[in-house]
Amino acid sequence: AQSVTQLDSHVSVSEGTPVLLRCNYSSSYSPSLFWYVQHPNKGLQLLLKYTSAATLVKGINGFEAEFKKSETSFHLTKPSAHMSDAAEYFCAVSLVEYGNKLVFGAGTILRVKS
Amino acid sequence: DAGVIQSPRHEVTEMGQEVTLRCKPISGHDYLFWYRQTMMRGLELLIYFNNNVPIDDSGMPEDRFSAKMPNASFSTLKIQPSEPRDSAVYFCASSFSVAEAFFGQGTRLTVV
Repeated sequence: AQSVTQLDSHVSVSEGTPVLLRCNYSSSYSPSLFWYVQHPNKGLQLLLKYTSAATLVKGINGFEAEFKKSETSFHLTKPSAHMSDAAEYFCAVSLVEYGNKLVFGAGTILRVKS
Repeated sequence: DAGVIQSPRHEVTEMGQEVTLRCKPISGHDYLFWYRQTMMRGLELLIYFNNNVPIDDSGMPEDRFSAKMPNASFSTLKIQPSEPRDSAVYFCASSFSVAEAFFGQGTRLTVV
């Protein structure tokens, strides 16, 4: 079974409008959850992480994500998209069942239209 | 800190040749990871080390792949012999924890 699922392979928004990138996980335990961003020809950069503290996590560049255990979700949001946000975003989960190794989702490509 | 440093950034080689990818982790990190990224398979963990010792190599695709970490500041991933299906971006990452990773810029490998 897929341990982490990103529900959209592509998301397109207009500059200045909200961003929502969806991520669900599958686990019997409380996971650690991460969002990474990858700009073209670059490595992955950590945006934010959840490790069983506050369920609303704030990250860099105005992004935030909320851990919802009842929905097994960790969606990434930003109130207002900038052109520079165009990139690929990866949700990742660290699960006890997998030796706490990071398992990455398939990625969501965010396009920002002017 | 300069972050995780990988070399080369790009490598083009002929099928059958040996390829060696290099990585310098962030100083003080005791975990080092090698990942492979392809369009078809996404981001896959190949192997990781803790304190220079290989802990989990279950993601290494086959015996043609090997990885070493002779000291805390250097690791290599070797493919011998290389095949066109090995073409991918290979990332090295390091961390204080198995449950987190700080990535290098990657090495884009093309095997022709």
